[in-house]
Amino acid sequence: GAGVSQTPSNKVTEKGKYVELRCDPISGHTALYWYRQSLGQGPEFLIYFQGTGAADDSGLPNDRFFAVRPEGSVSTLKIQRTERGDSAVYLCASNLRGGTDTQYFGPGTRLTVL
Amino acid sequence: GQQLNQSPQSMFIQEGEDVSMNCTSSSIFNTWLWYKQEPGEGPVLLIALYKAGELTSNGRLTAQFGITRKDSFLNISASIPSDVGIYFCAGHRGSSNTGKLIFGQGTTLQVKP
Repeated sequence: GAGVSQTPSNKVTEKGKYVELRCDPISGHTALYWYRQSLGQGPEFLIYFQGTGAADDSGLPNDRFFAVRPEGSVSTLKIQRTERGDSAVYLCASNLRGGTDTQYFGPGTRLTVL
Repeated sequence: GQQLNQSPQSMFIQEGEDVSMNCTSSSIFNTWLWYKQEPGEGPVLLIALYKAGELTSNGRLTAQFGITRKDSFLNISASIPSDVGIYFCAGHRGSSNTGKLIFGQGTTLQVKP
């Protein structure tokens, strides 16, 4: 399909392990966003890319979290030394130019840290 | 992290009833958005509001951008079973440097046929 896709759909890992979550935005969208959604809560902003650069990473909770978008399309969210509190659904969204353009969300990756 | 205050937290209504939910903030937003999320899916945009006082409809849905820019409400008329889901309000401050959205905690809607 032509929507935002995320892989894997589910990821179970052990405390202390490293994980990578992938996002494929809609083709042609220059802006890409990562959000984290804990159970019973709304999505919380993590980071925003405009092209290849992180224009706003103010939502990353600590230095264990890092994201890249090397070619301005696919993005990877990387979490080091995972903790049980990292368990959540990680949502990716993209839009055409950033700003107030409509953000289209992917289905998310459900991360469970045991 | 910062979130908008959304109420009610959940609603259980009879099919055909009207529904109203609202969202408030202690600070101003320049854009208000309403999303719907179904299990296993990401949020889908329902209505976007760009101007204080604006009233916008999308089918059976009507939303308003509060005059103070600190609140918004969403109404659903004549609810049907497929309206079931979690409804989120979201605000955008309108800075040209970021498109980040601030979300409410969600209103879970259940509709009894």
